[in-house]
Amino acid sequence: LAKTTQPISMDSYEGQEVNITCSHNNIATNDYITWYQQFPSQGPRFIIQGYKTKVTNEVASLFIPADRKSSTLSLPRVSLSDTAVYYCLVGGGYSSASKIIFGSGTRLSIRP
Amino acid sequence: EPEVTQTPSHQVTQMGQEVILRCVPISNHLYFYWYRQILGQKVEFLVSFYNNEISEKSEIFDDQFSVERPDGSNFTLKIRSTKLEDSAMYFCASSRRDSASTDTQYFGPGTRLTVL
Repeated sequence: LAKTTQPISMDSYEGQEVNITCSHNNIATNDYITWYQQFPSQGPRFIIQGYKTKVTNEVASLFIPADRKSSTLSLPRVSLSDTAVYYCLVGGGYSSASKIIFGSGTRLSIRP
Repeated sequence: EPEVTQTPSHQVTQMGQEVILRCVPISNHLYFYWYRQILGQKVEFLVSFYNNEISEKSEIFDDQFSVERPDGSNFTLKIRSTKLEDSAMYFCASSRRDSASTDTQYFGPGTRLTVL
């Protein structure tokens, strides 16, 4: 499973756009990039998944450059409720059930 | 929107007792997982389950742990003789793994296990 590197923590303010970048230099051809969000004492929540270029849903956008060695999760106009840990994960393109290996994630703190 | 559910939300038990944590995965999902998260630490994989058998398990998943799908909807994690270090949040997850070949796992809200 490809290893990912992301900032340990980030701070921002309400109403700002927040971009969290993740490096995954050893991503395999069949790997997807997936982001999860976790609030304290809750289960990880799927946010967005992509393979290449740009993916957008009602919550976030995911930007993936052509070489796929990194990706950026973009949260538009954050609010206090976006304070959480965000995990970047690479994998999922297997033919059998695959475990998720969680890193430490990025602890995002939103201030008023 | 379908979701994974878990019961109970909080379980308190005495060391050495058996506990069973219950999960109802999303109905058309075929792959099931248990993870745990000790307070302040990373989420750790325990076991994956498909077609009524274990697909993969971690070092944590020793003989004290077992999983079962007793009927068409429930997926359970049993800890036979709990230890203090088993205190953690336990998360169930499920995935569909259809022909699109992505394995997006959806997690339940967790069961907080406290071993006294």
